[in-house]
Formats: sequence, structure tokens, C-alpha cells
Amino acid sequence: GAVVSQHPSWVICKSGTSVKIECRSLDFQATTMFWYRQFPKQSLMLMATSNEGSKATYEQGVEKDKFLINHASLTLSTLTVTSAHPEDSSFYICSAPHRAGWDYEQYFGPGTRLTVT
Amino acid sequence: RKEVEQDPGPFNVPEGATVAFNCTYSNSASQSFFWYRQDCRKEPKLLMSVYSSGNEDGRFTAQLNRASQYISLLIRDSKLSDSATYLCVVTLGEGFQKLVFGTGTRLLVSP
Repeated sequence: GAVVSQHPSWVICKSGTSVKIECRSLDFQATTMFWYRQFPKQSLMLMATSNEGSKATYEQGVEKDKFLINHASLTLSTLTVTSAHPEDSSFYICSAPHRAGWDYEQYFGPGTRLTVT
Repeated sequence: RKEVEQDPGPFNVPEGATVAFNCTYSNSASQSFFWYRQDCRKEPKLLMSVYSSGNEDGRFTAQLNRASQYISLLIRDSKLSDSATYLCVVTLGEGFQKLVFGTGTRLLVSP
């Protein structure tokens, strides 16, 4: 099946700094990728839809100036958490759709665990 | 009201037991339905799609009732390796499938 990678798998940063997370589709092209966030014991919540060649679409309540998304190529989307604070500590997961038969299946990256101290 | 609701559990069952999970969704325009499995600190993995006609994959059976906006997952002959969180997922619209996740139901299978 299709493979999506994320880097880094975990990161610890100090409050006020910025952190960049990369999401790559390794063996297919993805014009659209999705970014999710998951807090402990909660479900995955969609943050934004990343679109290659155009601006990302953010879900209600997600600050676009804080969570910068850049879909630089057909295989790479980046999420930058700017001026990170402890409440941004979470599990960030990306996904990319890939055609499987007559429909699309979402392939998830392994996630990035962010801890802000 | 949450878009996708699940009993968080945990469901503690012995090996070999049959266990059923339920899920309800609020948006009648939801088009596609899935069960995902998520292990601790890992990404979710697709377990199976859910259709109105019902579908079965080995020990797993999924059912969809559009009229009641209700989805179920049945696991027969539980294995220790089935221990995980099971996520009910729906999508709105076609195409690239913006997924809406339930909070998940945790299953613990014991020897």
C-alpha cells in the first residue's frame, strides 16, 4: 500500500520557539493532505486541509497564523507551529488520500509527538 | 452534540469472547463510513469500510443503519492482539474524504 512518512517522530521544544513538521507521500503524489491533532484520550481532530499550489483551508477554531501550512510539492506538506506554548503539546498526524480501486483511501503518517516545555 | 459518538469503554473481555461496538453520527449527509484501529501512540489504521448491506472480514463484521444513523462493529473470537482503540469514522461528501473521527472505544482482551 501507499506510504506516508512524518518527520520528526517526536520533538521537545521550549515555549516561544517554532517547530516544523514534515509530511511526505513516499510512493505517490498527493495534491491534498490533511493535518490532524490528537490530545490524550481524545479523538483526532482535523486542523486543516493542505492544498498543493494554493492556500490551506483551516477548520473553525484553528489559528492559521499560528499553524502555518505549506504544500511545497506533490509529495511534501509542512506544518509549522509558531511560538509554541505548552498547550500546543499534542500528537500531530498527517494523512494523504490515494486512489484505491474506485474510491480514495486515507493513508496516515506515523505521527509527530510534540512536547512544549 | 458530537458529530460522531462512541462509548469510550474500556471494554474488558477474555480471549475468545465476542464484543460489539456501537457508534452514532449526527449528520445525515454523511456518505462514507469506516472503522479504524489505533494502537497506543500510533497512527490510526483502516480496519474496514462499512456498507448498508453489511460486510464481513474474517472475525470482524460491520453494519450500517442509515435510517438510525448507527454503525456497529462485531469482533468474534477476540484475540489478545485485538486490544486497541477502535475509531468510528465518517466522511461528508465524495472525493478526498475529509474524515470525522469518533472519540474511540478502547478494547482490552485478557488471557
